[in-house]
Amino acid sequence: QSALTQPRSVSGSLGQSVTISCTGTASAVGGYNYVSWYQQHPGNAPKLMIYDVYYRPSGVPDRFSGSKSGNTASLTISGLQAEDEADYYCCSYEGIYTYVFATGTQVTVL
Amino acid sequence: QVQLQQWGAGLLKPSETLSLTCAVYDGSFSDYYWTWIRQPPGKGLEWIGEISHSGNTNYNPSLKSRVTMSVDTSKNHFSLRLSSVTAADTAVYYCARENGFSIDYWGQGTLVTVSS
Repeated sequence: QSALTQPRSVSGSLGQSVTISCTGTASAVGGYNYVSWYQQHPGNAPKLMIYDVYYRPSGVPDRFSGSKSGNTASLTISGLQAEDEADYYCCSYEGIYTYVFATGTQVTVL
Repeated sequence: QVQLQQWGAGLLKPSETLSLTCAVYDGSFSDYYWTWIRQPPGKGLEWIGEISHSGNTNYNPSLKSRVTMSVDTSKNHFSLRLSSVTAADTAVYYCARENGFSIDYWGQGTLVTVSS
């Protein structure tokens, strides 16, 4: 399986923007537009925030956006809110019917 | 509203077999793949594998030799068995629904501890 890498932590002040990167390989992230992002608050199950690189499920605030360039996908949170403080994980389909999660990023709202 | 409810033994001894089951309510069971994901305490998520309503499976290569997934379409249940567990298999295990190439509904999670 490929390994996906995220920064261990990012932080920003209320109202600011933060971007979390997810670096993979040509087979995972780079090979398919099937990157998804999950938010996880302590003690809770993850929640889908972005799917297929760019798309937001119904109910997810539009301050969350996704993008991809080459082997790196990104999640941007614009206008950071207190409730955005959580762990975030990217996940990529890597072909041969398997998926891989990245290491996760802790977002802190200052 | 889709709901996934999971259950299974929470404490195992090394070498035993982990067994978890997930019930799907209002989830259009036959239209999706169903998956298991785990998270060791304080660590990240790991995809274990997936199963369709017809029993087609795909597993994480690193766990493939020990994983078996099954499905009971009469009850809208799917199950996970992981053999020969060790302390490294201690984790919260989640069942979930795959929608396309993402995971949109999750169970509540079950903490499985492996300890002698």
